[in-house]
Amino acid sequence: EDKVVQSPLSLVVHEGDTVTLNCSYEVTNFRSLLWYKQEKKAPTFLFMLTSSGIEKKSGRLSSILDKKELFSILNITATQTGDSAIYLCAVLAYSGAGSYQLTFGKGTKLSVIP
Amino acid sequence: NAGVTQTPKFRILKIGQSMTLQCTQDMNHNYMYWYRQDPGMGLKLIYYSVGAGITDKGEVPNGYNVSRSTTEDFPLRLELAAPSQTSVYFCASSSLGGGAGQPQHFGDGTRLSIL
Repeated sequence: EDKVVQSPLSLVVHEGDTVTLNCSYEVTNFRSLLWYKQEKKAPTFLFMLTSSGIEKKSGRLSSILDKKELFSILNITATQTGDSAIYLCAVLAYSGAGSYQLTFGKGTKLSVIP
Repeated sequence: NAGVTQTPKFRILKIGQSMTLQCTQDMNHNYMYWYRQDPGMGLKLIYYSVGAGITDKGEVPNGYNVSRSTTEDFPLRLELAAPSQTSVYFCASSSLGGGAGQPQHFGDGTRLSIL
């Protein structure tokens, strides 16, 4: 059974701090790893990582994938209160017959205090 | 651009009632998905579809049914609602290419309570 484990499950930091969120996985037929940010409603897409060692950046957020050790990290520098959300890690795997499935971790709840 | 639209946003059902959660997308995506999200549990895949007329079970399909008669619509049906089905339901769609997948676009969710 495919498995995605995120840590920590919750985190409280002060504005300006840097945080690192972790995601490890065990899946068959891995294709890519995705990070989403979920505030009050639907998850919104942040990054998709397919290759090891290539950092993806968007403003203060960055992420990298290690396919040998089967994990990814999401870094947020100079955190702001608007970064408070649940961060979801998901792994896309090929499930056969032309189909793909996305398995989600439980998420990391980040709270940024002013 | 509407993206993925889910209706209703909220619903309360009595045990044993049935209902259909609607999902439609206007991005011409082949793949559509239904997830449920319970507090602290992440998202779990209920059913998915790789194109019109094709559906398949996900991780937690029991108690649900789906159909995909058009590319745009992917309704989720609860036949005999049970308290264990109280959850937030998300519909998503994606257009997969190159074998590496594409990010899924999510609707705003339907909050369902079974009493």
